Amino acid sequence: QQQVKQSPQSLIVQKGGISIINCAYENTAFDYFPWYQQFPGKGPALLIAIRPDVSEKKEGRFTISFNKSAKQFSLHIMDSQPGDSATYFCAAKLGGTSYGKLTFGQGTILTVHP
Amino acid sequence: GAVVSQHPSWVICKSGTSVKIECRSLDFQATTMFWYRQFPKQSLMLMATSNEGSKATYEQGVEKDKFLINHASLTLSTLTVTSAHPEDSSFYICSAPLAGIFNEQFFGPGTRLTVL
Repeated sequence: QQQVKQSPQSLIVQKGGISIINCAYENTAFDYFPWYQQFPGKGPALLIAIRPDVSEKKEGRFTISFNKSAKQFSLHIMDSQPGDSATYFCAAKLGGTSYGKLTFGQGTILTVHP
Repeated sequence: GAVVSQHPSWVICKSGTSVKIECRSLDFQATTMFWYRQFPKQSLMLMATSNEGSKATYEQGVEKDKFLINHASLTLSTLTVTSAHPEDSSFYICSAPLAGIFNEQFFGPGTRLTVL
């Protein structure tokens, strides 16, 4: 029930294309859903996040779509660029006194070809 | 955004020695910090929650005597890998939540530990 399932495991996209990464969860006590971007040898960096009472959030080329009834959320990267090539992790945070403790998805390795 | 630093960024040690990794929140205070371990091409595995002024909370399967955590101040947590062995070689990452409605977490740059 604590798991967050992420797909696909890897994704190859041409420059200018749309990258879509999906995540699903079971625990309805999650109250915050961030996406992190990680480059090799670096720590994860917060990319964008959404609350369950919002269906979509857009920041620049990055958009999160959230479907509360289906318990699914996804990251869309528009106009994908080679510099977006990285590993992306979705995550979910339990509400209450969890002090920000996150449950991570398995990760998606995104490769954007020039 | 908030900044979290780690030191060292990489360390190589001999088997049997102990290694200390520092995690600092540079521009905010954190009563709680998290320590993760990450193997190549895998997700982050939460090892423990570091609590300022009290004992750390370890995840199931993590040896507390092997991975000593001390949260000395509101901006510093340390992870000591005791009697390190080659199987402890990994990428260790800390994070700290910024106090707020959702306690948004910010990650350090990670420490690459190689045990020979």
